Amino acid sequence: AQTVTQSQPEMSVQEAETVTLSCTYDTSESNYYLFWYKQPPSRQMILVIRQEAYKQQNATENRFSVNFQKAAKSFSLKISDSQLGDTAMYFCAFFETGGAQKLVFGQGTRLTINP
Amino acid sequence: GAGVSQSPSNKVTEKGKDVELRCDPISGHTALYWYRQSLGQGLEFLIYFQGNSAPDKSGLPSDRFSAERTGGSVSTLTIQRTQQEDSAVYLCASNFATFSNQPQHFGDGTRLSIL
Repeated sequence: AQTVTQSQPEMSVQEAETVTLSCTYDTSESNYYLFWYKQPPSRQMILVIRQEAYKQQNATENRFSVNFQKAAKSFSLKISDSQLGDTAMYFCAFFETGGAQKLVFGQGTRLTINP
Repeated sequence: GAGVSQSPSNKVTEKGKDVELRCDPISGHTALYWYRQSLGQGLEFLIYFQGNSAPDKSGLPSDRFSAERTGGSVSTLTIQRTQQEDSAVYLCASNFATFSNQPQHFGDGTRLSIL
């Protein structure tokens, strides 16, 4: 079974700093997708960024970028120039294309951006 | 609608009562997913629908849990004889299709509290 591990339960940085959230996963599949979701106190899960496993280039969305290391099964999220609105729970998620058709989530990292 | 709609937003009920949670997916989305998020935890997959069919019910925690979807649209998650461990946020998501590599779109969830 696929598993996703986020080893940092909580992180805290000052506004404008750069922060990296770690995520590792375990799978025997070769074709899959990885996502980072943000969950503010409103509870809604908001997509931050996604990465296709077959693409070597790391995905980037404005201040958000990933470091995808397929061989190491690592998928970290870097937030540059952090803002107060980035305060939220961040979940790493794995989706396999040929299997159970479900997202498998990590336990989450609670990120706090301090003014 | 514009997004995934879930109702009620919050539900408080006594142990032993039955509850129904509703999810209205984005128009045109044939895939629908239910997840459970216990306090401070990641999301746990419960069940998914492709159209009105639920190929994978393995995530349902017990036979007290059931779900249905009619007309390829609205889905209802029913929990019978609720227990305190059922207290959680129940999130619904939808997508164009289960094999889609597009991200799932989430509703705001139903917070269920069992007294």
